[in-house]
Amino acid sequence: DTAVSQTPKYLVTQMGNDKSIKCEQNLGHDTMYWYKQDSKKFLKIMFSYNNKELIINETVPNRFSPKSPDKAHLNLHINSLELGDSAVYFCASSQFPSGSTDTQYFGPGTRLTVL
Amino acid sequence: TQLLEQSPQFLSIQEGENLTVYCNSSSVFSSLQWYRQEPGEGPVLLVTVVTGGEVKKLKRLTFQFGDARKDSSLHITAAQTGDTGLYLCAGKVVVGTNAGKSTFGDGTTLTVKP
Repeated sequence: DTAVSQTPKYLVTQMGNDKSIKCEQNLGHDTMYWYKQDSKKFLKIMFSYNNKELIINETVPNRFSPKSPDKAHLNLHINSLELGDSAVYFCASSQFPSGSTDTQYFGPGTRLTVL
Repeated sequence: TQLLEQSPQFLSIQEGENLTVYCNSSSVFSSLQWYRQEPGEGPVLLVTVVTGGEVKKLKRLTFQFGDARKDSSLHITAAQTGDTGLYLCAGKVVVGTNAGKSTFGDGTTLTVKP
């Protein structure tokens, strides 16, 4: 029944490692997003895909690489993890991203801690 | 760069009190949304306002969009412990270089004590 799911929920890793976070939505939406929420709770968009095509790519280090195998999945791979990457990462999906009343549905988040 | 500033950043009140949270910007938005986020979960949409001056009510919550569509407020009447959470406003434009992107405010953490 979960609309937007993410795995894992928690991720603790050492600096320099490579890790992936997976996201799946069963809402039939065409658009998916990755957001980063820092320790001050500020939520900032990182990437957006529409039907497997990248449409938003904010100023994010190229160590972050999103991959969308199909429109229901959007994964985030992070290379050479740094301390500053520690945050909660949220996946979201929506149907009408260009519309002013579009609703985004968020996953439960993945808390990444880099030691 | 579009910025949304929320005030206050932190608010701790007793159950039954009223409160207002503000979301301000120097930019004009096509719409303004309010989300509530509970610990360990993702934000959940509460309301979308699209017309300048629009007022929407959701039970004890009243949302208003400023006439110039640059600001918004959220008023909670007779707060309950279940209202505790992080409240986020998000503005959206549908034209220009930021079209389709939601810009989130810096959040208001509300604690309602029994």
